[in-house]
Amino acid sequence: EDQVTQSPEALRLQEGESSSLNCSYTVSGLRGLFWYRQDPGKGPEFLFTLYSAGEEKEKERLKATLTKKESFLHITAPKPEDSATYLCAVHAGRGSYIPTFGRGTSLIVHP
Amino acid sequence: EAGVAQSPRYKIIEKRQSVAFWCNPISGHATLYWYQQILGQGPKLLIQFQNNGVVDDSQLPKDRFSAERLKGVDSTLKIQPAKLEDSAVYLCASSFNSGTPNSPLHFGNGTRLTVT
Repeated sequence: EDQVTQSPEALRLQEGESSSLNCSYTVSGLRGLFWYRQDPGKGPEFLFTLYSAGEEKEKERLKATLTKKESFLHITAPKPEDSATYLCAVHAGRGSYIPTFGRGTSLIVHP
Repeated sequence: EAGVAQSPRYKIIEKRQSVAFWCNPISGHATLYWYQQILGQGPKLLIQFQNNGVVDDSQLPKDRFSAERLKGVDSTLKIQPAKLEDSAVYLCASSFNSGTPNSPLHFGNGTRLTVT
């Protein structure tokens, strides 16, 4: 059974304090790893897709990396507006890819 | 591009009552998903459609939940009868094509269901 585990469950940072979120996965036939951001009362919003080990993607203060067993979302000098829940999802299998989500990391950035 | 539309935004019902949620995906998206998200948890897939065919419904409680996607566009998710543990946010999402691994999901803002 495909499994996606995110850590930590919750993270509190001071503005400007860089950190990383982790997503580890156990799947058969990874076809893509996705990061989403979810604000309270909203649906998840797509951030990045990663396909192969060694790949990196960047967007503003966020940088996502991928190894064969896990992905990291690095947040550099975060601001309060980066506060949200960050979800990791994997697409695996053959044919139609069925997305499996982790439980998410709730990030709060204090001014 | 218009996003995924869901209604209603909120619903409060008593246990054993029935409820229905509606979803209109992004135009041209072949794949539609219904997820259940319990507070503090990640989204759990209930059912995935490719056009109007079911790709996966292995986690759909079929004794009380049903879903349909008529003409491969809009979709309805129904719960009958509801239980207290069905209280959650029901998210609808669509993607261009689940047959291509680089298709991200586009989510609606969900329906928050409270069963009392």
